[in-house]
Order: sequence, then structure tokens, then C-alpha cells
Amino acid sequence: AQSVTQPDIHITVSEGASLELRCNYSYGATPYLFWYVQSPGQGLQLLLKYFSGDTLVQGIKGFEAEFKRSQSSFNLRKPSVHWSDAAEYFCAVSNSGYALNFGKGTSLLVTP
Amino acid sequence: SAVISQKPSRDICQRGTSLTIQCQVDSQVTMMFWYRQQPGQSLTLIATANQGSEATYESGFVIDKFPISRPNLTFSTLTVSNMSPEDSSIYLCSVNDRDYGYTFGSGTRLTVV
Repeated sequence: AQSVTQPDIHITVSEGASLELRCNYSYGATPYLFWYVQSPGQGLQLLLKYFSGDTLVQGIKGFEAEFKRSQSSFNLRKPSVHWSDAAEYFCAVSNSGYALNFGKGTSLLVTP
Repeated sequence: SAVISQKPSRDICQRGTSLTIQCQVDSQVTMMFWYRQQPGQSLTLIATANQGSEATYESGFVIDKFPISRPNLTFSTLTVSNMSPEDSSIYLCSVNDRDYGYTFGSGTRLTVV
């Protein structure tokens, strides 16, 4: 069955520290890959996406993600976290044109 | 990217009643998707709505509880029927925007009392 796994439910990092959020997927073929962020009481905001090509993808707000086919992973990274990055992060996967399948999310807490 | 207008943005409803949520897209799209986000949870796909055919429901969701209409390529409605407090969630519609990815409506925050 197709699945998306975000192993970390909660992550706490200090402001200015680096961040990596993990995402693994189980799909039959290379799917389309996405990272979304949701702040409390807010809607979903697309951070970045991967369809094909360069496996290192740059997104908004200084985020990047790397697609690793051999590991079926699409981890999200940021070199220096800001307090405003505290939010819920969702990895999502789809086969072309079909519905997105979301991971359970990772809640990021940023400490001073 | 496509723009979706979703309404209402929020509502408080009595148990046993029904609420219809509307999504209007500014371009023609083949498939529209409906999601539910329960408090503190991720998004779960309810159904996929294609114009001119019955919606396809995911496991755990049934047409009698969540009837969907898709009268044309720019509009869809989701009805939450015979509501109970367990239906209190955010409901979102989404479309696949070929070049952009997926666009989401702003969501309907439903509270059932």
C-alpha cells in the first residue's frame, strides 16, 4: 500500500540551529513530492515540490529538500532556524494528477 | 496557479443537521479533492470528485454521510450530513494545478455542538 511516513512527531531546535525533517514514502514509481507548512489556525503553505530533475530542490523561506530514490526519502532542511519557523510540517506524495497523500506531520518547536 | 474560493470559512452547527461546503475554482479542472483535518491531525482524503461521474470515496467515508456534487469543471460541494461532534474538523478542497502542484482552498472550520 502507498504510504508516507514522517518518523518524528515533535522536534525541538534552538534558534539559529540547523533543521532536518524526515520523510519516507512507499510508492510503486517515483511520485511527486511536496512539503507544506501550517501555522496554528492558518492554511497550508507550499514550501517546495519535486517532480523530476535535480534532486536538490530549493523552496521558500530558506528551505530545501533532497530526493533520494535509493532511500525513498525526501527530507526537508534549513541551515538556520528562525523562531517564526515554529509550525506543523507535512510531507505529501502523489502519483501524477491524483490526490495527495499526507504524512502525519512533524511539529517544530523553536527555543530561544 | 489556480485560485479556489471556499465557503463558508467557518460554522457552528447543531448535531443532527447538515452543512454544505462550496468550492469554486477560477479555471477548469478535471479532478477536485476533498480532505478532512481533525483537530491536531494531518489531512485525510475523503473523496475525489470528477465532473459527470460519482465521486470516489476513500475507506471509512461513505456517500450517505458525505455526499458530493460536481456539476461542472469549476465547482464542487461537499455536504456533511447528520452531524455529530466527531465531525468537528477543518474541511478543505483541493485541485491539481499541473505546473504548480496542488492548490488548496482556505478551509471550512466546522464545530458541531
